[in-house]
Amino acid sequence: NAGVTQTPKFQVLKTGQSMTLQCAQDMNHEYMSWYRQDPGMGLRLIHYSVGAGITDQGEVPNGYNVSRSTTEDFPLRLLSAAPSQTSVYFCASSDHGEAFFGQGTRLTVV
Amino acid sequence: GENVEQHPSTLSVQEGDSAVIKCTYSDSASNYFPWYKQELGKRPQLIIDIRSNVGEKKDQRIAVTLNKTAKHFSLHITETQPEDSAVYFCAACYQTGANNLFFGTGTRLTVIP
Repeated sequence: NAGVTQTPKFQVLKTGQSMTLQCAQDMNHEYMSWYRQDPGMGLRLIHYSVGAGITDQGEVPNGYNVSRSTTEDFPLRLLSAAPSQTSVYFCASSDHGEAFFGQGTRLTVV
Repeated sequence: GENVEQHPSTLSVQEGDSAVIKCTYSDSASNYFPWYKQELGKRPQLIIDIRSNVGEKKDQRIAVTLNKTAKHFSLHITETQPEDSAVYFCAACYQTGANNLFFGTGTRLTVIP
């Protein structure tokens, strides 16, 4: 039972490039979400999904897209990377209680 | 939307002393309040949580209290140990179909041996 798996762990992008952060969970959770963590600002919700085929925006959705074609996978796409998107990104899944986080992706946009 | 404030931002205590971290929330509909511990370079991990139908919950050296009227909740760590040193985050959530967590800005706890 791996829990929540994120890839990659580290990534450097140039401004304007696009990329996809992968997230997979094996706990059969309906709810999945993406957060970004910036110094002094805690974790902020980017997008979330309450089940396959359903996604919605969180607090800071601009510049990011998501899709949920299966219960297991919830990828996050950066369409045109900007330096303001330099951050640590966490994927999480939960049922009606504890949220389980992936190990995080440290993204730097130069 | 929900707004969670957390204080203090940093806290230093001597080993064996108690530590208290306080949070307030704005949305009276929030009904689930977890606390997460994050060690340097690691993922946040749940240490304790409380639901709105309970006023206090304990788990060994850790306790959480909730005051729904005042919309604040607190984390209490007794007999602190060096391995308690980490960043602690509170969060609030209105659990329906979505479990959207709204986090405080974190407290860096340092336990001095």
